[in-house]
Amino acid sequence: DTGVSQDPRHKITKRGQNVTFRCDPISEHNRLYWYRQTLGQGPEFLTYFQNEAQLEKSRLLSDRFSAERPKGSFSTLEIQRTEQGDSAMYLCASSLATGGSGNTIYFGEGSWLTVV
Amino acid sequence: AQKVTQAQTEISVVEKEDVTLDCVYETRDTTYYLFWYKQPPSGELVFLIRRNSFDEQNEISGRYSWNFQKSTSSFNFTITASQVVDSAVYFCALSDWEAGTALIFGKGTTLSVSS
Repeated sequence: DTGVSQDPRHKITKRGQNVTFRCDPISEHNRLYWYRQTLGQGPEFLTYFQNEAQLEKSRLLSDRFSAERPKGSFSTLEIQRTEQGDSAMYLCASSLATGGSGNTIYFGEGSWLTVV
Repeated sequence: AQKVTQAQTEISVVEKEDVTLDCVYETRDTTYYLFWYKQPPSGELVFLIRRNSFDEQNEISGRYSWNFQKSTSSFNFTITASQVVDSAVYFCALSDWEAGTALIFGKGTTLSVSS
């Protein structure tokens, strides 16, 4: 059983460019999450999907951020018109939600973004 | 509002010492989950434990043990006989019962174990 995989692992981009990160969750996991982590801080929740439905997106940092999970499997996180403040690690995670109770969330290795 | 506080920013110990990482949380929920994750330099968050608010029994897993006390809203993590491979950033996190989705993380404690 492979873990959560993210691509690319590192991305350097110029300010104003768009970037897209891909996440492949653990197979059979129905929930997929995106978090952002800046240096010296804990991860910060951005959004999550249950299957293909995006159930929470109010914590996306701005309208430049968007996420999709079109077939309920992999997901993409896009940042448009990147700014230097977007430099961070973007973490993807997945879990198997089994109706109501808390579930264990497994994280990938993250995608580092540097905006220059 | 939910909040997790890890007051210890950095801890340095010598191999074989025991070390305790503190975690204090705030929540108005009566049912909730607490987690510990380890983040080695590679960046991946490694799940260590999940504990629900109804289960205050302490847990031991090898050299790791966890002490959950609702009376003091604490969920502390102890590593016994620390090893160099334990060097990492450790995060405590909190989530509500209903959704179990958005984890609220503390700022983490960086543990350095020297030989």
